[in-house]
Amino acid sequence: NAGVMQNPRHLVRRRGQEARLRCSPMKGHSHVYWYRQLPEEGLKFMVYLQKENIIDESGMPKERFSAEFPKEGPSILRIQQVVRGDSAAYFCASSPSQPNEQFFGPGTRLTVL
Amino acid sequence: GQQLNQSPQSMFIQEGEDVSMNCTSSSIFNTWLWYKQDPGEGPVLLIALYKAGELTSNGRLTAQFGITRKDSFLNISASIPSDVGIYFCAGPTFLQGAQKLVFGQGTRLTINP
Repeated sequence: NAGVMQNPRHLVRRRGQEARLRCSPMKGHSHVYWYRQLPEEGLKFMVYLQKENIIDESGMPKERFSAEFPKEGPSILRIQQVVRGDSAAYFCASSPSQPNEQFFGPGTRLTVL
Repeated sequence: GQQLNQSPQSMFIQEGEDVSMNCTSSSIFNTWLWYKQDPGEGPVLLIALYKAGELTSNGRLTAQFGITRKDSFLNISASIPSDVGIYFCAGPTFLQGAQKLVFGQGTRLTINP
């Protein structure tokens, strides 16, 4: 029973490029959450999605950031025109119908040069 | 919004010692979750608490859901080197009909050889 999978594990981008982060939830989980973690800090909620729906995007910056969870395939977090301040670890979590217990992937570490 | 405060922020102990850490909030939580994060990895769920006063164990780990529902404690007995990492408390919040996890800032555990 594979856990939450994220790829790539490490991503390097130059300022102005686009970053695409992928997340495949655990089998049977239909709820996906994205979090951002800066060094020495806790995790900050960004967005909560179910299949084909954004449920809560209150933690996501209004510009340059978008997320989707299509009917088929992984959830995608997309950051356009990246800036140095976007450098962080981005974690995806998934949960079954009971959303209290969220299981996390290994994260994608984004470095913007 | 709801915030979780963890203490201590860091701990330096000898192998074999017991560890205690706590998490407090000014708001009531109906669920408390404790996660551990190893360097370069995603958080792993250790213990979930669902009822005020509940005491739950997972091996050498014991966590308690405070009676006031505004705090939780995590204890580790007879620490070993693999206990090193960052421990986060988390609780679900409901806003606008959607749920997300709020995380504390973490307690960093270091074990001296």
